[in-house]
Amino acid sequence: AQSVAQPEDQVNVAEGNPLTVKCTYSVSGNPYLFWYVQYPNRGLQFLLKYITGDNLVKGSYGFEAEFNKSQTSFHLKKPSALVSDSALYFCAVRDRGQGNLIFGKGTKLSVKP
Amino acid sequence: GAVVSQHPSWVICKSGTSVKIECRSLDFQATTMFWYRQFPKQSLMLMATSNEGSKATYEQGVEKDKFLINHASLTLSTLTVTSAHPEDSSFYICSAEMDRLNTEAFFGQGTRLTVV
Repeated sequence: AQSVAQPEDQVNVAEGNPLTVKCTYSVSGNPYLFWYVQYPNRGLQFLLKYITGDNLVKGSYGFEAEFNKSQTSFHLKKPSALVSDSALYFCAVRDRGQGNLIFGKGTKLSVKP
Repeated sequence: GAVVSQHPSWVICKSGTSVKIECRSLDFQATTMFWYRQFPKQSLMLMATSNEGSKATYEQGVEKDKFLINHASLTLSTLTVTSAHPEDSSFYICSAEMDRLNTEAFFGQGTRLTVV
């Protein structure tokens, strides 16, 4: 069965510092991996995805994520956090070409000035 | 990126009435649309998957007679909450996909439903 784990309910970062939001996954086949961001009372916005190719994926708003097959991880990173990055972040996985998106529980990112 | 429009953004209704939520893909044809429910501080719970012209596939535990889904065209899906009760109050989100193989899903803005 597919599953996604986001081990941190909340991540607190000072503005200007690097941030990491963790995600690990479990799928039976090869994964498609996604990160989405949700602002209060809004839908999800797509940030980036890993389908194939380079393990380091760059996405919107300066975010990037690294696919690590051996550790089954897809952590979201940004070199320098902004207060406006404060939001709820969801990692999602799909077994390649099949099935529905499975979402993690979400991680609340709080960036303080 | 592709745009999915969900309407209304929020709605308040009385117990026993029905509410319809629309989800439109504005600049692409969506082969599949999804409806999610999100409780406060929780992840998205998939309610049902709909393909144009066919009956929706509901997840276990979701009452199909209560949550009516219609996917009449490749750009429109609707969710009707029938005989709404306060426990149906929630944030409902739709998403649409162009194809299942290698693209991301695009999400609507969500609808905050409050049943009083």
